[in-house]
Amino acid sequence: QVQLQESGPGLVKPSETLSLTCTVSGGSISSYYWSWIRQPPGKGLEWIGYIYYSGSTNYNPSLKSRVTISVDTSKNQFSLKLSSVTAADTAVYYCARGGAVAGIKRPNWFDPWGQGTLVTVSS
Amino acid sequence: QSVLTQPPSASGTPGQRVTISCSGSSSNIGSNTVNWYQQLPGTAPKLLIYSNNQRPSGVPDRFSGSKSGTSASLAISGLQSEDEADYYCAAWDDSLNGPTFGTGTKVTVL
Repeated sequence: QVQLQESGPGLVKPSETLSLTCTVSGGSISSYYWSWIRQPPGKGLEWIGYIYYSGSTNYNPSLKSRVTISVDTSKNQFSLKLSSVTAADTAVYYCARGGAVAGIKRPNWFDPWGQGTLVTVSS
Repeated sequence: QSVLTQPPSASGTPGQRVTISCSGSSSNIGSNTVNWYQQLPGTAPKLLIYSNNQRPSGVPDRFSGSKSGTSASLAISGLQSEDEADYYCAAWDDSLNGPTFGTGTKVTVL
């Protein structure tokens, strides 16, 4: 059974870069889409972006200028970098596997999800 | 910003049927399939329904999904106390060129 685990600093200073890693266990990172999704405290879910195991990416236009998602298939990990963070980027960050319908080259749903990690932006 | 609109709250007594609506547009629900996620308090979201009406293995058949035009619905029949959670719809949005989530509905079991 595939499991995902986020890791990284829980506190980031304003204007700095948020960096998180998601480690995939119980299965290979190959042949799937891998995504980052965030949830500000008490609010709803926001898709950040996803990467295919081959390295192709797609980002939320509202964050595109600040986001980089990368994959390391040798370590079964993928990572998120979000630059120039502000307090508005404070959220629980989730990584998730994207499930796809045959013939449609994009993630149609997200399952499973990691447990999430709270990142607070504050000086 | 969520482009899929859900009622903020819904409630019912144990055993009742509760329905949650999700309203979108032609660029999302109108042209793509809908998924539903359940988020129990303090936990990560869990896939509940995919491709409009399909249940992943392990999801009770008390949960059902449907779609019509630019709207979708999640029904919970035989409501149980453990169903108290936040529920989110989601769909691919062609304008965003990415997935978008609903505003979320908090279900309370009275």
